Amino acid sequence: AQSVTQPDIHITVSEGASLELRCNYSYGATPYLFWYVQSPGQGLQLLLKYFSGDTLVQGIKGFEAEFKRSQSSFNLRKPSVHWSDAAEYFCAVAPTGGFKTIFGAGTRLFVKA
Amino acid sequence: NAGVMQNPRHLVRRRGQEARLRCSPMKGHSHVYWYRQLPEEGLKFMVYLQKENIIDESGMPKERFSAEFPKEGPSILRIQQVVRGDSAAYFCASSPRSQANLNTEAFFGQGTRLTVV
Repeated sequence: AQSVTQPDIHITVSEGASLELRCNYSYGATPYLFWYVQSPGQGLQLLLKYFSGDTLVQGIKGFEAEFKRSQSSFNLRKPSVHWSDAAEYFCAVAPTGGFKTIFGAGTRLFVKA
Repeated sequence: NAGVMQNPRHLVRRRGQEARLRCSPMKGHSHVYWYRQLPEEGLKFMVYLQKENIIDESGMPKERFSAEFPKEGPSILRIQQVVRGDSAAYFCASSPRSQANLNTEAFFGQGTRLTVV
């Protein structure tokens, strides 16, 4: 069955420190991969997506993610975190040719001064 | 171009009442998806609709829940006889064509937070 795993429920980083949020997926073929951010009480904003091509994907707000087929991972990174990055982050997968986006349970990011 | 509009943003219903959630897709989008987010969980797919057609409702509970996307007007997610377990955030997303096509992403609304008391 298709699934998305975000192993870290909460992460706390200091402002200015680097960030890596982990995401592993389970799917037979190469899926479409997404990272979304959700601020409290808000909807989801797409940070970046991977469909094909270069496995290092650049997104908005200084985020990037790397698709590693051998590890079935799509980890999200940012070199220097800002206090405004505190939010919940969702990794998601949409099967190739399909339309049901499957979301991970989310990782809540806390940023300390 | 306005984004996906959902209303109301917050909805409180007593047990046994009906809840009607509305979603107006982005202009030019004819595909709508509904998701439910339970507290502390990710989003779960419920239903996929095109204009006047339900394409996939495999994520919808078998009873009390229904969805429509008429030729004119917004998509409606209807929950009859609500129970406390229906309390959740309901998100709508739209895309200009099916996500089955390459390089299509869905754009999400801000959600309707339903509280059943």
